[in-house]
Amino acid sequence: GNSVTQMEGPVTLSEEAFLTINCTYTATGYPSLFWYVQYPGEGLQLLLKATKADDKGSNKGFEATYRKETTSFHLEKGSVQVSDSAVYFCALRYGGATNKLIFGTGTLLAVQP
Amino acid sequence: NAGVTQTPKFQVLKTGQSMTLQCAQDMNHNSMYWYRQDPGMGLRLIYYSASEGTTDKGEVPNGYNVSRLNKREFSLRLESAAPSQTSVYFCASSDEGLANEKLFFGSGTQLSVL
Repeated sequence: GNSVTQMEGPVTLSEEAFLTINCTYTATGYPSLFWYVQYPGEGLQLLLKATKADDKGSNKGFEATYRKETTSFHLEKGSVQVSDSAVYFCALRYGGATNKLIFGTGTLLAVQP
Repeated sequence: NAGVTQTPKFQVLKTGQSMTLQCAQDMNHNSMYWYRQDPGMGLRLIYYSASEGTTDKGEVPNGYNVSRLNKREFSLRLESAAPSQTSVYFCASSDEGLANEKLFFGSGTQLSVL
């Protein structure tokens, strides 16, 4: 079946540090892949997405590349800020005509000044 | 810009009580979804509705019912609440097609069942 596995947190970094959050998936076919972000007290927001192998999604300095050979979609940012502190969810779309998503368990990122 | 609006934001129930979580979107989306978020488990799909008048089960539908009242509104009902239903509930909506692969989420309802 379809599943998403992402690294457990929390991840604690100092401001301007490099960020990597690992995500791997299991799926039939080639699903679209996503990173969503949840700030404290809010719903999830789409951060970036990639729809096919070798695509790179990017937004707000974050990047992730769809790697079919390693079934991975790792999230990276070169220099994190305190305002990036949030929970990050990796997800894949399995829904056919609808946007049904399977989410990973989420990774809490805490950035210290 | 309202987007997806959920009510209530917080609710405490006793075991066996019933309640309905309300959700409305103003983006003219066809599809709507209910997810629950539990620690260490991410978000899991309870029910979804691909269009007005249709609903389908997701991963964890047991103990819940839904109603797609019209295109804007999608409610989730707990007929007899259980402690295992203590969770944060999120409603979401989306349009269809590869160009619209994005869910818009409400801010959530935190439900405690004692």
